[in-house]
Amino acid sequence: EPEVTQTPSHQVTQMGQEVILRCVPISNHLYFYWYRQILGQKVEFLVSFYNNEISEKSEIFDDQFSVERPDGSNFTLKIRSTKLEDSAMYFCASSGVTGGFNEQFFGPGTRLTVL
Amino acid sequence: QKEVEQDPGPLSVPEGAIVSLNCTYSNSAFQYFMWYRQYSRKGPELLMYTYSSGNKEDGRFTAQVDKSSKYISLFIRDSQPSDSATYLCAVLGGNSGNTPLVFGKGTRLSVIA
Repeated sequence: EPEVTQTPSHQVTQMGQEVILRCVPISNHLYFYWYRQILGQKVEFLVSFYNNEISEKSEIFDDQFSVERPDGSNFTLKIRSTKLEDSAMYFCASSGVTGGFNEQFFGPGTRLTVL
Repeated sequence: QKEVEQDPGPLSVPEGAIVSLNCTYSNSAFQYFMWYRQYSRKGPELLMYTYSSGNKEDGRFTAQVDKSSKYISLFIRDSQPSDSATYLCAVLGGNSGNTPLVFGKGTRLSVIA
């Protein structure tokens, strides 16, 4: 069964460093998302991406964040200068296009720890 | 504005019990209502979704939406230890492909054998 994959599963970085989180969405999906979940908090929407551009972003997704689809399979989230409060689980999701409900399929997540 | 509220639990029940999980939401524009299940160190997985008000049943699981009171429920009959997970309610404002999900905080459920 097709699934969303994410790498790495755990990333440890120093405050101020850049990190890139990688995702491979389901191959025939057209919409891509990043969500994050701070420990003990809700899963929160960061950004959605369609047709090689950002469709929508939350107030969390400030200038320190960027997304890219560098090739036909990968979807990346870059945090330019990490802060302690960026420590969270980051989930990638993708969805297709149908005439009805479009399920968002989630990857297993990348745990980001900023020291 | 807290859009989706969910009691985080934890909730512990004996095997075979009926489980009731609930959420409330604030925005009447929401049209799709979902329940996701999340196992430890995994991503959320869609369990069921409902459009507008009413009930939807899938095996031991029943999802219920009451739009007049902005109340979402999930019932699990004959609960099993394998049902132990965190259950997240979520809402979707529309059906365009890029509509973000808005999640509740999740309720951690333990079913004890």
